Amino acid sequence: DAGVIQSPRHEVTEMGQEVTLRCKPISGHNSLFWYRQTMMRGLELLIYFNNNVPIDDSGMPEDRFSAKMPNASFSTLKIQPSEPRDSAVYFCAGRAGNYGYTFGSGTRLTVV
Amino acid sequence: AQTVTQSQPEMSVQEAETVTLSCTYDTSESDYYLFWYKQPPSRQMILVIRQEAYKQQNATENRFSVNFQKAAKSFSLKISDSQLGDAAMYFCAYRTPFYGGATNKLIFGTGTLLAVQP
Repeated sequence: DAGVIQSPRHEVTEMGQEVTLRCKPISGHNSLFWYRQTMMRGLELLIYFNNNVPIDDSGMPEDRFSAKMPNASFSTLKIQPSEPRDSAVYFCAGRAGNYGYTFGSGTRLTVV
Repeated sequence: AQTVTQSQPEMSVQEAETVTLSCTYDTSESDYYLFWYKQPPSRQMILVIRQEAYKQQNATENRFSVNFQKAAKSFSLKISDSQLGDAAMYFCAYRTPFYGGATNKLIFGTGTLLAVQP
């Protein structure tokens, strides 16, 4: 199994542009989580899907952020318009049974 | 609300020595899971060890072991025979069990940066 696959690994974009981050979870992991990691705030949960349905999006910082999971094998996190304060590492993770999560390698987003 | 606290922002250990990283948490739940994750410079989050709250026996994975004190809400990680590859940020995390539909998000501490000196 290739694990949780995120793309791109790095993204540099200009303020105001739309950014789309992608995630392919491990087959069979029916829960998917998007986390954001910054030095100031640590690891924050943005949104959580269960069986492709958004369950908890209370961590999504603003309306500029949106996430979708059209099927069990794909999810996107979109920021439109992007701002410099959105610069962070964004992780996608799947739940592995009733234990820990399996994380992707993350996308480092830089908004200039 | 549940919280996880790691009071040691940085730690250092000599190669081959033993180091203990501290973690405390706050919850009113009786059933939950605790984890230690390692994040090396590659930024990959790697699960090191997990502990179910209902188990009294401390979890062990090779050189990694935990000291789980449920009453004190303490969950420390001990790394024995430290190796250069152990240098990383270590995160303690808490999760409630998954009961269909309930949020079972991982709540992370702020991390401890471990340096291993040769």
